[in-house]
Amino acid sequence: EAGVAQSPRYKIIEKRQSVAFWCNPISGHATLYWYQQILGQGPKLLIQFQNNGVVDDSQLPKDRFSAERLKGVDSTLKIQPAKLEDSAVYLCASSLRISAKNIQYFGAGTRLSVL
Amino acid sequence: AQKITQTQPGMFVQEKEAVTLDCTYDTSDPSYGLFWYKQPSSGEMIFLIYQGSYDQQNATEGRYSLNFQKARKSANLVISASQLGDSAMYFCAMREGDGGSEKLVFGKGMKLTVNP
Repeated sequence: EAGVAQSPRYKIIEKRQSVAFWCNPISGHATLYWYQQILGQGPKLLIQFQNNGVVDDSQLPKDRFSAERLKGVDSTLKIQPAKLEDSAVYLCASSLRISAKNIQYFGAGTRLSVL
Repeated sequence: AQKITQTQPGMFVQEKEAVTLDCTYDTSDPSYGLFWYKQPSSGEMIFLIYQGSYDQQNATEGRYSLNFQKARKSANLVISASQLGDSAMYFCAMREGDGGSEKLVFGKGMKLTVNP
């Protein structure tokens, strides 16, 4: 079974530019998450989708970040315009909620450097 | 207040020895889940083990076991017979509640180094 796919793996941009990340979850997983992991910290949830609907985006900086999951499968996360403090690893995860466990499986992440 | 606290910034262990990674948590929700993830230098978060707040027994998964002390609000990960490949960052995480947002709240992590 294929895992969570993310691209690109690395991205370097200048501040005020825009950038987009792509995620393809594990097949059949209805729930998709985007996390931001700043160096030296644990991941922090940005947004959670259930199919193509948003469940939780309370920590998404909506003035510059946007995300969509139009067909309930893959998803894109966009930053426009980027700031220096957006430098981080952006992790995508997916889960199949069939039990209380609801394990989240993560991709390898996209490492963003904003110069 | 921090929901998940991992106070050990780093630990060293000899290959084949056991090691305990500490995690304490804070919640007033009676229903919650505790998770441990491993993050090697490649960056992917790898699920290791899960403990539900209502589980009567401590969780075990191969060489991993979770020492769950509910009254003390601790969920320490025990790795038996350490291997060189266990060298990585380890994160403790918690999910509160039964429905709605399934977000995981992570600790800051700790770095484990296994020496030959």
